[in-house]
Amino acid sequence: QVQLVQSGAEVKKPGASVKVSCKASGYSFTAYYIHWVRQAPGQGLQWMGWINPNTGGTNYARKFQGRVTMTRDTSISTVYMELFRLRSDDTAVYYCASPATAVEGGFDFWGQGTLVTVSS
Amino acid sequence: SYDLTQPLSMSVSLGQTARITCGGNNIGSKNVHWYRQKPGQAPVLVIFSDNNRPSWIPERFSGSNSGNTATLTISRAQAGDEADYYCQLWDSSTGVFGGGTKLTVL
Repeated sequence: QVQLVQSGAEVKKPGASVKVSCKASGYSFTAYYIHWVRQAPGQGLQWMGWINPNTGGTNYARKFQGRVTMTRDTSISTVYMELFRLRSDDTAVYYCASPATAVEGGFDFWGQGTLVTVSS
Repeated sequence: SYDLTQPLSMSVSLGQTARITCGGNNIGSKNVHWYRQKPGQAPVLVIFSDNNRPSWIPERFSGSNSGNTATLTISRAQAGDEADYYCQLWDSSTGVFGGGTKLTVL
């Protein structure tokens, strides 16, 4: 079955960067786009962008452009989301998610989430 | 930017029908997806493309979308349906989520 397994929780200081991984299994890694969605404590969901695991092409939400990079390593079926110049309001659970159909479909599959805490 | 409006909270009696709305400008022209999220868990897709259920979702869940409102309908509400529900769509290649509705089953 399709699984997305994310790396563990992180604690970072303001101004630092964080890199979260998402390892895919149970399907052909290049078949589905991987998106990143975050959720601040007690808040709603916020889409950050996607990466095409086949080509490495990306599309970032305007809010994160210039501060986020999404990459992939096809040899280990893993995508990464790196967020730079962290602020306290970046404290959130970060999810990777994938639509099994079109790049702009519903998110059929989700990782378990990675809590990133930004605190001095 | 495109905005989606959901009621912050609503309640439904056990066994009754809950209708959760998602408002947006001409939302009926877009494909709307719905997610259920329980505390401490990742969201789960419950409806995709307005009115389609993934295989793991029971028939009690249905969706509709027309004009400026999309609706998620949960029939014969159960205690396990208590959760936050989010609508989502794509606008100019940007993912947009509604603010979420907390559903309480009484």
